[in-house]
Amino acid sequence: QVQLVQSGAEVKKPGASVKISCKASGYIFINYAMHWLRQAPGQSFEWMAWINPANGAPTFSQKFQGRVTITRDTSASTAYMELSSLRFEDTAAYYCARGPVTGNFDLWGQGTLVTVSS
Amino acid sequence: DIVMTQSPDSLAVSLGERATINCKSSQSVLYSSNSKNYLGWYQQKPGQPPKLLISWASTRESGVPDRFTGSGSGTDFTLTISNLQAEDVAVYYCQQYYNSPPMYTFGQGTKLEIK
Repeated sequence: QVQLVQSGAEVKKPGASVKISCKASGYIFINYAMHWLRQAPGQSFEWMAWINPANGAPTFSQKFQGRVTITRDTSASTAYMELSSLRFEDTAAYYCARGPVTGNFDLWGQGTLVTVSS
Repeated sequence: DIVMTQSPDSLAVSLGERATINCKSSQSVLYSSNSKNYLGWYQQKPGQPPKLLISWASTRESGVPDRFTGSGSGTDFTLTISNLQAEDVAVYYCQQYYNSPPMYTFGQGTKLEIK
């Protein structure tokens, strides 16, 4: 079954970091870019970054450059996204999504809710 | 930055009728090099991730009912849902890709309900 399975919900304090995993199955992991997006409560989607699983090269939205780290473990078919210096406004559902570099996202993880609260 | 604006923000349509959702981009998403519009449509139901319905403005994804039709080019796009079914209740989003710098931008969403 082709799917992306993400790690569970997180509650963090302001200033902390969070690391989310996304395990791919049912397809060849290195053949597709892996993107990270987020959706704040009641809002639309915001693209954050993507990684080329074949060589590990990341590309970031200018908004998140310097605060987001994305990595992958090809042996585990898993991608990771770490967001640092968390703020209240980072509270959102974070998604990994498969897709070409140029186009749309055809496979999504179930989402990971990150709550930033003091 | 490219801005995607959807209209309306919400609409209510009777079962069996047609729903029309519009998406306007602040600049063209038509790439002359390959004549493709880098525009997709997604459906998101409560508590679920989005589902890609339409890519390249008008190409229906595998398994998507032919009630869903995408059209348009350049800056103006439309998603039409014919013969509305109860399971079509959702929020619909358009999304574009831009390559310099790389950016993927979504519309604000349109909430579709049954009248």
